[in-house]
Parts: sequence; C-alpha cells; structure tokens
Amino acid sequence: DGGITQSPKYLFRKEGQNVTLSCEQNLNHDAMYWYRQDPGQGLRLIYYSQIVNDFQKGDIAEGYSVSREKKESFPLTVTSAQKNPTAFYLCASTKGTVDTAEAFFGQGTRLTVV
Amino acid sequence: QKEVEQNSGPLSVPEGAIASLNCTYSDRGSQSFFWYRQYSGKSPELIMFIYSNGDKEDGRFTAQLNKASQYVSLLIRDSQPSDSATYLCAVSTSNTGKLIFGQGTTLQVKP
Repeated sequence: DGGITQSPKYLFRKEGQNVTLSCEQNLNHDAMYWYRQDPGQGLRLIYYSQIVNDFQKGDIAEGYSVSREKKESFPLTVTSAQKNPTAFYLCASTKGTVDTAEAFFGQGTRLTVV
Repeated sequence: QKEVEQNSGPLSVPEGAIASLNCTYSDRGSQSFFWYRQYSGKSPELIMFIYSNGDKEDGRFTAQLNKASQYVSLLIRDSQPSDSATYLCAVSTSNTGKLIFGQGTTLQVKP
C-alpha cells in the first residue's frame, strides 16, 4: 500500500543534541513538507520541497535543516539551535504543487527534550 | 490578523444534531480549501475539499465556501460520538501547494 512513513514514532533528545526525523513516501509525490504542531495549535510549516535537490524555508525554519536527495525521502534535522523543539512533527506530501493538490500525512513523530 | 482563523471551541453538540464549524481566511487570492479531522495524538486526515463557491456534499459532510466573504464552513449532519475530534481548516494560497492551517476547532459529540 502506498503511503508516508515517519520514524521514529517517539524520540527523546538531550539538550544540545541534533536529531534527525525520517520521512519516506512511496506515492510518487513531487512535493514534500514538514510541519510542527504544538498542543492546542494548528500546523506550522517548517520546510518544503517541490523537487529533488531543492527546498524552501517555511514560516518557522530557524533551528531546522532538511535535505531532498531522493524523491521518496525528506529527512528533517532538529539542531541544537532550536531552543524549544518539544512538539509533534508531521511530514506530508502532495502529487503536484498546484492549488488543488491534496496533502497526505504521515503518522507523526513526537519529539521530547529530556 | 491570522491568515486562517477558527474558533478553538470546544463546540459541544448532542448526538444526532448538526455540527457547524467555521473558518475565515485573509488572503483573497486563496483558491483551495480543505477540512482535516485530527483525533488526539494522531495525524490529520482529509475529509473534504472545496474549490468553488457554494456547497459540496459528501455523505454526512457539507463544505460551504463564500469567497466574497472569505468564509468556509463544514457542516456535519447526524453527529456521532466518533466525530469527536479537532477539525482543522487549511487554505492553499499559492502554486507551491503550501497549506496554511487554522488552529483547529475541537468538536465534542455527547451521547
């Protein structure tokens, strides 16, 4: 079955440590996105990529980095520069980048700073 | 002003009633509008999308769009306890496919 797989489901980070969240899709979708969700809040865009080897900052990119070396994969690194990383991270993909593209989400990674 | 605004609720309705969820947006150039349902601790799932002014019905769900008023709503008929969740309104405002989300409305359907 096609879908988006995020791993791990739960992740614990120590202060000052970089961690990488995985996102893989087998939907043959062109565009991929990373969102962050805090309790009681909507989703905020971190980074997005429309094609391989290209990506753009979203609204809250500071303290995060991404790569898009393969169409199927869009990993997110939470760096030590991100001062408040505890949140629910969601990866999404769309077939194209036109306005009518529906976004499909992975199951999310819950990151906690310990 | 937030780009996409929703009343956070909670909105409480009795089982079998109609639940009405509302969303306003600020960008008049917005073209596509989506409603996602999110259960606690889970990822959002798409339940409706609408691109044209008017109503769009899918089973118990009806999406309504009024671009002149910059307003989109979701009606849930015959509400069930399983409909209890947070409903996120999302608006696509450019050809990047980026979605701008509201903060979500929590719906509680009481048996």
